[in-house]
Amino acid sequence: NAGVTQTPKFRILKIGQSMTLQCTQDMNHNYMYWYRQDPGMGLKLIYYSVGAGITDKGEVPNGYNVSRSTTEDFPLRLELAAPSQTSVYFCASSYWDNTEAFFGQGTRLTVV
Amino acid sequence: TQLLEQSPQFLSIQEGENLTVYCNSSSVFSSLQWYRQEPGEGPVLLVTVVTGGEVKKLKRLTFQFGDARKDSSLHITAAQPGDTGLYLCAGSAGGTSYGKLTFGQGTILTVHP
Repeated sequence: NAGVTQTPKFRILKIGQSMTLQCTQDMNHNYMYWYRQDPGMGLKLIYYSVGAGITDKGEVPNGYNVSRSTTEDFPLRLELAAPSQTSVYFCASSYWDNTEAFFGQGTRLTVV
Repeated sequence: TQLLEQSPQFLSIQEGENLTVYCNSSSVFSSLQWYRQEPGEGPVLLVTVVTGGEVKKLKRLTFQFGDARKDSSLHITAAQPGDTGLYLCAGSAGGTSYGKLTFGQGTILTVHP
């Protein structure tokens, strides 16, 4: 059972480039999330989804886009990368409200 | 906006000492969770509290949910170096914000031998 899988693990982008962070889960979870984490800090919610076809903005959505066409996949798109988007990105999933969120290993993104 | 304020942000103690970490909000949450994160890894769930006034124990860790479901605390008894890590509280407001899981800014705990 793979759980939550994120790719890539590391990426360096130049300012203005775009990329997609991939996230897939095999636990048939309804909810999926994208967070960013700056060094020594907590997680800030970027976008979340409560099911296929449904997405909502979190605390820091500007500069990002998501889609949820299937239960398993929740890709995060960065358009026109900026240095402020340098961070570690975590994808997570949970079955329902108040249930455990399982996290991927993270993607370390540097924008130069 | 459902903000979760954690305190303290940093905690450096000696092995054997006790400590308490607080998680406060002005919003009511349907549940609060505590996670622990190691460097280079994603957070891992320690506990979920859902009932106001609830107390849960996990070995030397005691978690409490406030009566009004706006705050929570994590108490560690006789801390050990293996307790070192980043502790995060997370809340789900439920209602029209169902599915929205937000985190506090975290408490970095260092336990010295």
